[in-house]
Amino acid sequence: DTAVSQTPKYLVTQMGNDKSIKCEQNLGHDTMYWYKQDSKKFLKIMFSYNNKELIINETVPNRFSPKSPDKAHLNLHINSLELGDSAVYFCASSQGGGGNYGYTFGSGTRLTVV
Amino acid sequence: GENVEQHPSTLSVQEGDSAVIKCTYSDSASNYFPWYKQELGKGPQLIIDIRSNVGEKKDQRIAVTLNKTAKHFSLHITETQPEDSAVYFCAAGGGGSQGNLIFGKGTKLSVKP
Repeated sequence: DTAVSQTPKYLVTQMGNDKSIKCEQNLGHDTMYWYKQDSKKFLKIMFSYNNKELIINETVPNRFSPKSPDKAHLNLHINSLELGDSAVYFCASSQGGGGNYGYTFGSGTRLTVV
Repeated sequence: GENVEQHPSTLSVQEGDSAVIKCTYSDSASNYFPWYKQELGKGPQLIIDIRSNVGEKKDQRIAVTLNKTAKHFSLHITETQPEDSAVYFCAAGGGGSQGNLIFGKGTKLSVKP
């Protein structure tokens, strides 16, 4: 009965490849997010979706493309992977947007680009 | 936009001592301030939060205080235990100028037995 689940947990791939990370939440939340956590543990917002609609798209290379088929799912596709993309990617969800509600985070996907 | 500063970046205490982590925020319109605990290999977990209409909130050994005038808020952990060792993040949101929580850079807390 995991609240926010991400797959895969680990992803090792070569530069130039394309990969996807999937996220699902069963909390009935309307808003979902992708965060990137670098080696210094800094959490940086990438994207935010509210009920399948893109709300926030921070300064992220257009090689990163989120897709939300429904409000319970938010997937992240990355094209032409680069060494600098290596990080832990967290999916999260909240009851609403605007920074007014706490987030529930997934357990993360550790991406290593070699 | 909102900016959240968190201090210290690392904190080491003896078991049983208290630990305090402090954050400041820049957007006076922010009105929601959660704290997260991230254990090794896991995602951040919400441990306590406070809204701007409240000055202090407690939950067992943890408490959060908010000073709206000074725009700072703090996490207090009493009677620390080794299992409190983790990275703690503060965040601020709800100010309207941004649509998401803005996180501090984290504090690595080590509790030595």
